[in-house]
Amino acid sequence: AQSVTQLDSHVSVSEGTPVLLRCNYSSSYSPSLFWYVQHPNKGLQLLLKYTSAATLVKGINGFEAEFKKSETSFHLTKPSAHMSDAAEYFCVVRPNAGKSTFGDGTTLTVKP
Amino acid sequence: DTEVTQTPKHLVMGMTNKKSLKCEQHMGHRAMYWYKQKAKKPPELMFVYSYEKLSINESVPSRFSPECPNSSLLNLHLHALQPEDSALYLCASSQRAGQPQHFGDGTRLSIL
Repeated sequence: AQSVTQLDSHVSVSEGTPVLLRCNYSSSYSPSLFWYVQHPNKGLQLLLKYTSAATLVKGINGFEAEFKKSETSFHLTKPSAHMSDAAEYFCVVRPNAGKSTFGDGTTLTVKP
Repeated sequence: DTEVTQTPKHLVMGMTNKKSLKCEQHMGHRAMYWYKQKAKKPPELMFVYSYEKLSINESVPSRFSPECPNSSLLNLHLHALQPEDSALYLCASSQRAGQPQHFGDGTRLSIL
């Protein structure tokens, strides 16, 4: 069985300050992990993926995430938020060759 | 611009109508997906096609009928839908099943 928990349903930051979106997972097998972003009235866009290579993963638009097996976490970070980062973010876990499970999402608000 | 194109972008239909949603990709991907997404919720997987064959049906009601005419096209035929079927319908593709997915911007469906 697998599950993914996004610990915050809403995160609000000021422009130029760091972003932290938290994701914990459980999986019976070594999983692949993904972060997707969804802007209003748009589809989902892949930000980054972890597939058992380097534990620190760099993605697009300055985002990165660190896989911590001991903490079963895959938190998403960005050093400095931009207004254009305001969106919904989904953490996704997929066991080896299995079906993907989506977290419930985190809404990121960026204040000017 | 997304590499997965969905048409139409918006669709309003009555409960007795028959309509189809279309999805097209030209990235050479051999897996294609249909998702349903309600407001403020993560996408829910409906169907997966792998090499033009239906590989996953997540117990979707028969009023939704998928079709994959070739490796670039995916259709979702709709008939006798219910008001609760109003949602954003997302199409996605990946090189192979289980790999990171590319999403279209979706069709927003409203059932009167």
